[in-house]
Amino acid sequence: NAGVTQTPKFRVLKTGQSMTLLCAQDMNHEYMYWYRQDPGMGLRLIHYSVGEGTTAKGEVPDGYNVSRLKKQNFLLGLESAAPSQTSVYFCASAAGETGELFFGEGSRLTVL
Amino acid sequence: GQNIDQPTEMTATEGAIVQINCTYQTSGFNGLFWYQQHAGEAPTFLSYNVLDGLEEKGRFSSFLSRSKGYSYLLLKELQMKDSASYLCAVKDSNYQLIWGAGTKLIIKP
Repeated sequence: NAGVTQTPKFRVLKTGQSMTLLCAQDMNHEYMYWYRQDPGMGLRLIHYSVGEGTTAKGEVPDGYNVSRLKKQNFLLGLESAAPSQTSVYFCASAAGETGELFFGEGSRLTVL
Repeated sequence: GQNIDQPTEMTATEGAIVQINCTYQTSGFNGLFWYQQHAGEAPTFLSYNVLDGLEEKGRFSSFLSRSKGYSYLLLKELQMKDSASYLCAVKDSNYQLIWGAGTKLIIKP
């Protein structure tokens, strides 16, 4: 029962470096999301996808890019990391727009 | 703007009952969710309300009043493992989830 899997779990970057977070789900869900979670704040939506080949901007998309080439995978890229992107990143998937979200375990990113 | 308000932290005693409130102001409403998040872990789904009233699921119940923009999560027979953050989230008219900052619940023996 893998559910939603995120890699890597932890990463430390230097300012200006790039990286990609991978999210994979095995539930055949159409909807996938990338959130960031910062202390004292609610989860904030970065980008989301409503199906293979589609992506859309969320609340805080600047500095991030995404791709959904395969239905089961949703990639989050940071082209030039900044300290403000230090956060815990969660990927989530859902069967439909009213369905509950299933979350990955999270990826803790530190940008120095 | 859109806003979800819930208390930052609450403390309760093992075996007791606690009610965590959530008030919301959103552009439209397509359901309210409660999630539980243990420290260092992912949120997990607890309940979903789209109509007014009480939904009961074991020791947990969730209530919704759409006219008041208000919900609460009721936890009965508290156990130490219930120590966690409880997140309230509302789906707006565009089916986007708006999240509260979460309520950290501390259970004392």
